[in-house]
Amino acid sequence: RKEVEQDPGPFNVPEGATVAFNCTYSNSASQSFFWYRQDCRKEPKLLMSVYSSGNEDGRFTAQLNRASQYISLLIRDSKLSDSATYLCVVNKAGGGYQKVTFGTGTKLQVIP
Amino acid sequence: NAGVTQTPKFRILKIGQSMTLQCTQDMNHNYMYWYRQDPGMGLKLIYYSVGAGITDKGEVPNGYNVSRSTTEDFPLRLELAAPSQTSVYFCASSLPRGAPTGGQETQYFGPGTRLLVL
Repeated sequence: RKEVEQDPGPFNVPEGATVAFNCTYSNSASQSFFWYRQDCRKEPKLLMSVYSSGNEDGRFTAQLNRASQYISLLIRDSKLSDSATYLCVVNKAGGGYQKVTFGTGTKLQVIP
Repeated sequence: NAGVTQTPKFRILKIGQSMTLQCTQDMNHNYMYWYRQDPGMGLKLIYYSVGAGITDKGEVPNGYNVSRSTTEDFPLRLELAAPSQTSVYFCASSLPRGAPTGGQETQYFGPGTRLLVL
């Protein structure tokens, strides 16, 4: 089983739609969780951290379920500019180093 | 702040040639990383460094070497280029958990170097 698994998509959704991505992780000792966004032929950039209590940033909501070991990202009122690949990232600290594992990403295409 | 900068942006190498990918960050971050990303694949960690003078292997270190003589610079060396090393290479930096600024695990990435080995 991969350490971090994501549905690769693509998710093709119309503008204004709500879309949700899930990500599962295998290591129960994982400590921190993030969603990154990667535009085509660009570097990944942090979208948001994911907390157990859930967190929201505008149209984006991230949730963490430690019991089931999954992370979700909800995008409401999708915009054309949301088209990108969304990477799930899981960190585990230990031995003075953060083991950072990236998922392979879920591709979102928002259609006019 | 320029953030994380990488040079070159793009390079074509012949099999067996060597080259150094440069990475510099001006955020005074302790941690630096090198990743490769193959088409349709996730990021794979090649090497990382937790501070000047300290480096360690990641998931896919074979065929690469690194050094970290300063906090700012973390070059990646390819000694004998092979077609399997055709990829996009990203350098990243971050502060460790518990850093005086309150802990910052966010990784900041450079724009990447596209390498083609023929």
